[in-house]
Amino acid sequence: ILNVEQSPQSLHVQEGDSTNFTCSFPSSNFYALHWYRWETAKSPEALFVMTLNGDEKKKGRISATLNTKEGYSYLYIKGSQPEDSATYLCAFLTDSSYKLIFGSGTRLLVRP
Amino acid sequence: ETGVTQTPRHLVMGMTNKKSLKCEQHLGHNAMYWYKQSAKKPLELMFVYNFKEQTENNSVPSRFSPECPNSSHLFLHLHTLQPEDSALYLCASSPTTLLRGNEQFFGPGTRLTVL
Repeated sequence: ILNVEQSPQSLHVQEGDSTNFTCSFPSSNFYALHWYRWETAKSPEALFVMTLNGDEKKKGRISATLNTKEGYSYLYIKGSQPEDSATYLCAFLTDSSYKLIFGSGTRLLVRP
Repeated sequence: ETGVTQTPRHLVMGMTNKKSLKCEQHLGHNAMYWYKQSAKKPLELMFVYNFKEQTENNSVPSRFSPECPNSSHLFLHLHTLQPEDSALYLCASSPTTLLRGNEQFFGPGTRLTVL
């Protein structure tokens, strides 16, 4: 059974703090890793689709890295703002399926 | 209207009712998906449609019946549900089912409560 773990489950930070969280996935049969941002009462929105070991992607203050050999990805937020408050989901895609396997998410709350 | 829309946003139904969830995408995508999110659990894939053909049924009970009349519309017909089926049901679409290079676009979900 394929499992995707995200840590921490939740995180409270102060505005201006930088933060990061982890997504762990099986290191075999890797095909892609997706990161999504999900604000309460809204639709999940894609942040990154990462495919290559060593990939590093950036969108504004948010960046992500990928290590497929050891099976983890980090998501970093620099200078957190209250509008960054959301649940951040990662999802793993194996090369044997087009089925995304989601983690339970990291819930981030940024206090003003 | 753009993106992926879902109706209704909230639904309360009895165990003997029949209801349907609707999903519509205006993105020109060929793949559509139903996901379920139960409390404190990860998103779980239920069904996948590619060019209107069902390509995945993730061992979903027959009381959930999907329908995809065209590439823009996806329905989930509900019949004799159980209280444990109460969950958030999300629809998603993508250009194709090749998710190595393609992200999924999600709707806002339908919050279903089964009494």
